[in-house]
Amino acid sequence: RKEVEQDPGPFNVPEGATVAFNCTYSNSASQSFFWYRQDCRKEPKLLMSVYSSGNEDGRFTAQLNRASQYISLLIRDSKLSDSATYLCVVNLGTGGFKTIFGAGTRLFVKA
Amino acid sequence: DTAVSQTPKYLVTQMGNDKSIKCEQNLGHDTMYWYKQDSKKFLKIMFSYNNKELIINETVPNRFSPKSPDKAHLNLHINSLELGDSAVYFCASSQDGRGGEETQYFGPGTRLLVL
Repeated sequence: RKEVEQDPGPFNVPEGATVAFNCTYSNSASQSFFWYRQDCRKEPKLLMSVYSSGNEDGRFTAQLNRASQYISLLIRDSKLSDSATYLCVVNLGTGGFKTIFGAGTRLFVKA
Repeated sequence: DTAVSQTPKYLVTQMGNDKSIKCEQNLGHDTMYWYKQDSKKFLKIMFSYNNKELIINETVPNRFSPKSPDKAHLNLHINSLELGDSAVYFCASSQDGRGGEETQYFGPGTRLLVL
């Protein structure tokens, strides 16, 4: 089983749609969780951290369920500029320095 | 002002050659990383350094040797390049790394093609 698993997609959605991505992780000792965004042929960039209580940043909402070892990202009112690959990221923390990236979920938003 | 820079951006070379990739960060961070992103776009950590000290070596062949002359630089030297080394190599840095909560800032990547 992969340490971080994501649905690779691609997700093809029209502008204005709501889309949700899921991610599961295998190591119950994981401490920190993130969503990164990677545009084609570019470097990954932090989209948002994911907190236990869930958190929102504009059109983006992230949720964490530690019991199920599950992370989600919800994008509301999709824009063309949201087209990218979304990477689920887990860090073992506590001196681990070890960051595990999921393989990413590809999103295409069409006009 | 580029926060994390890598050189070169593109590297095309023959099998068996030795090559180096350089990385510099001007963010004052203590921790730097090397990642490899293969053709399937899977991003995998190779090494991490904290204050010039090697912290993680993720079962990378010993043909890969990182070197950190100071905490702002982390270079990657690759000996005897193989076809399977073709990938995009990303350097990254974070403030501390120990807690695992900080944002990692990535360089633009070095696209390595081994012929």
